[in-house]
Amino acid sequence: NAGVTQTPKFRVLKTGQSMTLLCAQDMNHEYMYWYRQDPGMGLRLIHYSVGEGTTAKGEVPDGYNVSRLKKQNFLLGLESAAPSQTSVYFCASGGSQETQYFGPGTRLLVL
Amino acid sequence: AQSVTQPDIHITVSEGASLELRCNYSYGATPYLFWYVQSPGQGLQLLLKYFSGDTLVQGIKGFEAEFKRSQSSFNLRKPSVHWSDAAEYFCVLFNYGGSQGNLIFGKGTKLSVKP
Repeated sequence: NAGVTQTPKFRVLKTGQSMTLLCAQDMNHEYMYWYRQDPGMGLRLIHYSVGEGTTAKGEVPDGYNVSRLKKQNFLLGLESAAPSQTSVYFCASGGSQETQYFGPGTRLLVL
Repeated sequence: AQSVTQPDIHITVSEGASLELRCNYSYGATPYLFWYVQSPGQGLQLLLKYFSGDTLVQGIKGFEAEFKRSQSSFNLRKPSVHWSDAAEYFCVLFNYGGSQGNLIFGKGTKLSVKP
């Protein structure tokens, strides 16, 4: 039982490049979330999903897209990376909305 | 507006000393509250949660928190700190009244432990 896993752990992009971050959970959770963490800001919600095939915008969705084609996976895409998207990205999942379990994070540097 | 405030950005305590991390919230109804811990370079681990009932909640690693409605507070405590407790601690509010049903994070308190 791995819980919530994230791929990759670290990535460096050039401005304008695209990439996809993968989140996988093996707890059969309905709810999945993507957050970004910036120094002194806590975590901010980017997008979330309340079930397979559904997605919704969070607090800071601009520049990101998501997909939830399978219940266990939640993908976060950056179509054209910008330096402002340099951050640590956390995925979380939960069997209910309130209690969320977090992955180890992906560090992204956009040059 | 819903919000969480952690007044202390950084706290240093000696190993074996007691610890209290402060958290204040603003919410129009009975809040769902959490404390998460983030060790350096790691993800967030749930320490404890309060939904209702007993206002003193016990968590993992010897932590406890007390919900005080009159003070809009949910402070985290530990009677004796260990060096491995050095980490960043986040107080979190679940905004179940909003359309997003999302977690609202405080900005965190970084705990350093002196030997």
